[in-house]
Amino acid sequence: DTEVTQTPKHLVMGMTNKKSLKCEQHMGHRAMYWYKQKAKKPPELMFVYSYEKLSINESVPSRFSPECPNSSLLNLHLHALQPEDSALYLCASSQPRGGGETQYFGPGTRLLVL
Amino acid sequence: AQSVAQPEDQVNVAEGNPLTVKCTYSVSGNPYLFWYVQYPNRGLQFLLKYITGDNLVKGSYGFEAEFNKSQTSFHLKKPSALVSDSALYFCAVRLAAGGYQKVTFGTGTKLQVIP
Repeated sequence: DTEVTQTPKHLVMGMTNKKSLKCEQHMGHRAMYWYKQKAKKPPELMFVYSYEKLSINESVPSRFSPECPNSSLLNLHLHALQPEDSALYLCASSQPRGGGETQYFGPGTRLLVL
Repeated sequence: AQSVAQPEDQVNVAEGNPLTVKCTYSVSGNPYLFWYVQYPNRGLQFLLKYITGDNLVKGSYGFEAEFNKSQTSFHLKKPSALVSDSALYFCAVRLAAGGYQKVTFGTGTKLQVIP
């Protein structure tokens, strides 16, 4: 099973709302990632969790707050977003193996900020 | 710094013809190389990767890629294109070194297979 699931599939929120994106994997992977992808552009790395600890934050604004409650779950909490934050948010996971590991992506959450 | 170049924004090929999607990379050391495919409104789906060993890598759905160190290329190929292969293809590179190494994606190539 190489499935990463993400909920919700679509999300519309106002600039004052608070919402959360959820990601789950049951492959036993110990690294999980959040990416942001604009239309027809490559994914941009936001955060990396390794063994449930935040290891990489790619200078993401504080209105995005990641959380890794356990080895299977990854959340992205959203607050006071801007319209330019509208994008496809992708979660991925991998098993750390020294660099050659494959990242498996979820289907993404399409976010629209009004 | 590492980078990936996909020189073609779009590739058109007739169904049944061979297809090639080009990728060149730059990395200060040995690379790990990946190809992903993305269908509309979907996440990225892993196709194949080069880690070490045989330069010809075979992947999912009949795709293959050849690692060419001298030309720093990793072109994606398929002998006979299907309409269902129409999608956005991303090449990615990661430095083969210890510790966390970021994956860098190319800008993507849209493959259009014409019936």
